[in-house]
Amino acid sequence: EPEVTQTPSHQVTQMGQEVILRCVPISNHLYFYWYRQILGQKVEFLVSFYNNEISEKSEIFDDQFSVERPDGSNFTLKIRSTKLEDSAMYFCASSAQGYNSPLHFGNGTRLTVT
Amino acid sequence: SQQGEEDPQALSIQEGENATMNCSYKTSINNLQWYRQNSGRGLVHLILIRSNEREKHSGRLRVTLDTSKKSSSLLITASRAADTASYFCALVTDSWGKLQFGAGTQVVVTP
Repeated sequence: EPEVTQTPSHQVTQMGQEVILRCVPISNHLYFYWYRQILGQKVEFLVSFYNNEISEKSEIFDDQFSVERPDGSNFTLKIRSTKLEDSAMYFCASSAQGYNSPLHFGNGTRLTVT
Repeated sequence: SQQGEEDPQALSIQEGENATMNCSYKTSINNLQWYRQNSGRGLVHLILIRSNEREKHSGRLRVTLDTSKKSSSLLITASRAADTASYFCALVTDSWGKLQFGAGTQVVVTP
């Protein structure tokens, strides 16, 4: 069964550095998402992406964050000038048809900011 | 709040028993979805139930939705140790498919 893949599985970075988290969504999916989960807390929506542009973003997704679909397969989340509180699991997801189809999640990237 | 709230927060049962968890919410929804998360892993979709549906089944899973009470339930029948995981309800209220997750129910099934 097709799956969403995320790389790297773990990323350790120093405060103030930039990181890029990478995702390969399922190939025929049209809607893409990033979520994060701080340890012990609920899964939080960051951003949705459709037709090569952001369709919705949360309050968390400020100017520090950006997303890009640089080619036909990759979907990236860039975090500029990382902070300690950015430490979390970051999940990429994709869906075929938006609101009436399920999301398929990757296994996540654990980001640790030191 | 546009998030679901699961109840109970934690559930411990023995293999073979049924597990029931509930999700309450306060807003109108397009659909409600249930996901499972094994520790440290990604979320796995279980069932999507649309706002005009009342019940759905998938294998040992049964989901109900009562939009008048703004609540949903997930029943796992004949539980197995492999069902040990956190279970989340997620609301979809917009057209982009954004999921709004509750805090989850942590289920432990002991052999």
